[in-house]
Amino acid sequence: DIQMTQSPSALSASVGDRVTITCRASQSISSWLAWYQQKPGKAPKLLIYKASSLESGVPSRFSGSGSGTEFTLTINSLQPDDSATYYCQQYSRYWAFGQGTRVELK
Amino acid sequence: QVQLIQSGAEVKKPGASVKVSCKASGYSFIGFYMHWVRQAPGQGLEWMGWINPKTGDTDYAQKFQGRVNMTRDTSISTAYMELTSLHSDDTAVYYCAKDGGGDYVGGNWGQGTLVTVSS
Repeated sequence: DIQMTQSPSALSASVGDRVTITCRASQSISSWLAWYQQKPGKAPKLLIYKASSLESGVPSRFSGSGSGTEFTLTINSLQPDDSATYYCQQYSRYWAFGQGTRVELK
Repeated sequence: QVQLIQSGAEVKKPGASVKVSCKASGYSFIGFYMHWVRQAPGQGLEWMGWINPKTGDTDYAQKFQGRVNMTRDTSISTAYMELTSLHSDDTAVYYCAKDGGGDYVGGNWGQGTLVTVSS
């Protein structure tokens, strides 16, 4: 099974900051990597697919990069509405999720 | 627009079974795999398996093999997930999620169904 590891598990940042979350796969997944945002009591919301493709309707301050085993989600100019938990997901072979990164605003 | 509407919350006793439904609309139900994902309280997302609605073929995460059964009724565009021999750590929100096909992972999820296992 492919294991996904995210870091950090939590972070605190200020409005306007640039935030970076890293995701590592236990084996190469090419670019079959997605990022989700989840708020309490809600289903996950897709932000990025195929490592760097922005889902329709998602603000352009969200971006993704990477391939193989190392991936990054960047939020440029953090906004109050971005306070949430973020998950990476591989869909190269079945699905598997990272453990999540909680983003809080200072 | 694509919609996935799940059945309501359930309370079950340990050892019982639960069957959650996911009614799809707004797209060709048989054209896309349906996944099931669960989330225990305060925990992360856990993939349980998928079903090919066209053929009924399934593939389950090893953790749930022998205890989960995913089925579908194409006449009403509905997928089902049944989990048996429930124990307290099966308490979770269970989601269905439509696969996107090809490069696209798919961004459509059901609203979630809370299953509480308690004596």
